[in-house]
Amino acid sequence: AQTVTQSQPEMSVQEAETVTLSCTYDTSESDYYLFWYKQPPSRQMILVIRQEAYKQQNATENRFSVNFQKAAKSFSLKISDSQLGDAAMYFCAYRSSFTSGTYKYIFGTGTRLKVLA
Amino acid sequence: GAVVSQHPSRVICKSGTSVKIECRSLDFQATTMFWYRQFPKQSLMLMATSNEGSKATYEQGVEKDKFLINHASLTLSTLTVTSAHPEDSSFYICSVRNGNTIYFGEGSWLTVV
Repeated sequence: AQTVTQSQPEMSVQEAETVTLSCTYDTSESDYYLFWYKQPPSRQMILVIRQEAYKQQNATENRFSVNFQKAAKSFSLKISDSQLGDAAMYFCAYRSSFTSGTYKYIFGTGTRLKVLA
Repeated sequence: GAVVSQHPSRVICKSGTSVKIECRSLDFQATTMFWYRQFPKQSLMLMATSNEGSKATYEQGVEKDKFLINHASLTLSTLTVTSAHPEDSSFYICSVRNGNTIYFGEGSWLTVV
């Protein structure tokens, strides 16, 4: 079975600075997807970034980028130029490829990010 | 605008009663929907996969007789918590698959008193 581990329950970053959130996972599959979701106080799950395992290039979305190390099964999220609106709970998630016939997400325990003004 | 709508967003029910939560796909037809549960300060745990026109697939440890899922149409799945107890109080979130993308609902807070 797949597992997702986020070892940082809480992180703080100064506004405009850079912060990296860690995520490791375990799987025997070779093709899969990894995601970072943001959950603000409203509880709405917001997709931040996604990475397809067969792509070696790290995904980037504006101020958000990932460091995907497939061999190490590591998938960290870097937030550059942090803004007050980035404060939220961040979940790392794993999903098997569609060829496996399953669309289930497996979520990590989350990292609460605080942004200090 | 919202792609997936959940209703109600908050509900309080008495212990022993049943409560229904709806998940609607607003922009597309969805053969597959998912129900998650999130306890305070914890992660989302998949409860079941809801399949249109067939029985839901429940995750290990989830009581199918307690958490009834009905996916009667391509745009609506419902989760009914039967004989609710205070320990069922939680945040319930649905998600909907459209092709290669998953959309989450806004979630529903259930408080059983």
